[in-house]
Amino acid sequence: EAGVAQSPRYKIIEKRQSVAFWCNPISGHATLYWYQQILGQGPKLLIQFQNNGVVDDSQLPKDRFSAERLKGVDSTLKIQPAKLEDSAVYLCASSLEPIISYEQYFGPGTRLTVT
Amino acid sequence: GEDVEQSLFLSVREGDSSVINCTYTDSSSTYLYWYKQEPGAGLQLLTYIFSNMDMKQDQRLTVLLNKKDKHLSLRIADTQTGDSAIYFCAESDTGGFKTIFGAGTRLFVKA
Repeated sequence: EAGVAQSPRYKIIEKRQSVAFWCNPISGHATLYWYQQILGQGPKLLIQFQNNGVVDDSQLPKDRFSAERLKGVDSTLKIQPAKLEDSAVYLCASSLEPIISYEQYFGPGTRLTVT
Repeated sequence: GEDVEQSLFLSVREGDSSVINCTYTDSSSTYLYWYKQEPGAGLQLLTYIFSNMDMKQDQRLTVLLNKKDKHLSLRIADTQTGDSAIYFCAESDTGGFKTIFGAGTRLFVKA
């Protein structure tokens, strides 16, 4: 079974530039999560999708971050414009319907460096 | 707000047992998890426990939950060098929503 795919794996941009990350969850997983993991910290949930709909985006900085999940499969996370403090690893995870399983499967992450 | 706290480092000798501790603040937490992260990789779920359980054992892993003190621990028996990684404690509410992670405990295993 293929795991959660993310691209790119690494990205270096200057502040005020834009960047987008892509995630392809495990086939059949209804729930998709985007996390931000700053060096030395645990992952922080940015947004959670259930199929096409947003379940929780309370910690997403909506003035600069946006995310979408088209057709309930792939997802993109965008930052526009980036700030220095956005430097982090962005992790995507997916899981089956919550009533079936609470296990989240994580991708390898995209390491973003903002200079 | 909700918070999950862990000690930052733990060092053990190969073959010894490791015990990683975690405290959480949200009394409504329904599920508590232990994830493992190896360098350059995403997180991998090791085990989870429902809040109505006191203990769960899975091969070399034993999870203990003290709901009164909001304390969770992970014991790894016969720790191996391959167990060296960062271990994250996490909690979520009913339905698996609003997962909150601790900062992680870095486990060093000395040969």
